[in-house]
Amino acid sequence: GDSVTQMEGPVTLSEEAFLTINCTYTATGYPSLFWYVQYPGEGLQLLLKATKADDKGSNKGFEATYRKETTSFHLEKGSVQVSDSAVYFCALSVTGNQFYFGTGTSLTVIP
Amino acid sequence: NAGVMQNPRHLVRRRGQEARLRCSPMKGHSHVYWYRQLPEEGLKFMVYLQKENIIDESGMPKERFSAEFPKEGPSILRIQQVVRGDSAAYFCASSSLRDHQETQYFGPGTRLLVL
Repeated sequence: GDSVTQMEGPVTLSEEAFLTINCTYTATGYPSLFWYVQYPGEGLQLLLKATKADDKGSNKGFEATYRKETTSFHLEKGSVQVSDSAVYFCALSVTGNQFYFGTGTSLTVIP
Repeated sequence: NAGVMQNPRHLVRRRGQEARLRCSPMKGHSHVYWYRQLPEEGLKFMVYLQKENIIDESGMPKERFSAEFPKEGPSILRIQQVVRGDSAAYFCASSSLRDHQETQYFGPGTRLLVL
């Protein structure tokens, strides 16, 4: 079945450090891939997405490239800020009926 | 353009009571999805609805849970005879098309606590 596996946390980084959060997927069709971010006490916000192989999604300095050959969609940011502290969820959708989410990776950025 | 709205934001119920969670999709969206997030876990799909129709309820527990999206008004997720294990955050999302390339937009969630 369709599923997403993402790097377990929590992740703690110093401000301006490089961030990578790994995400791999299993899908029966041709999925669209997403990264969502959840700040404390809030709902999920779309961070970026990619709808086909080799697409790169980017937003607010975050990037992720849809890699079909490795079935991956790793999230990266070159220089994190304290305000990036949140939980990050990788997700996929094949049919549009439902999204499959990873378990989330908690990121804390310290000054 | 208001986003997805959910109410209440927090709901406390005693075991055996009923919980009603409401979701108003974004303007122009006719597809609603409900997800449940247990503590320290990701979101799990529950049900997908269009106006007056349940399209996919494969993630809904077989008993006590029901959902509707009437022609007028918000979508309702109803949990009867709540138990402590129902304590979770329930998120609603909406989209405009049944298309896997279409993004789902999430509401702020309802946090249900069953005492």
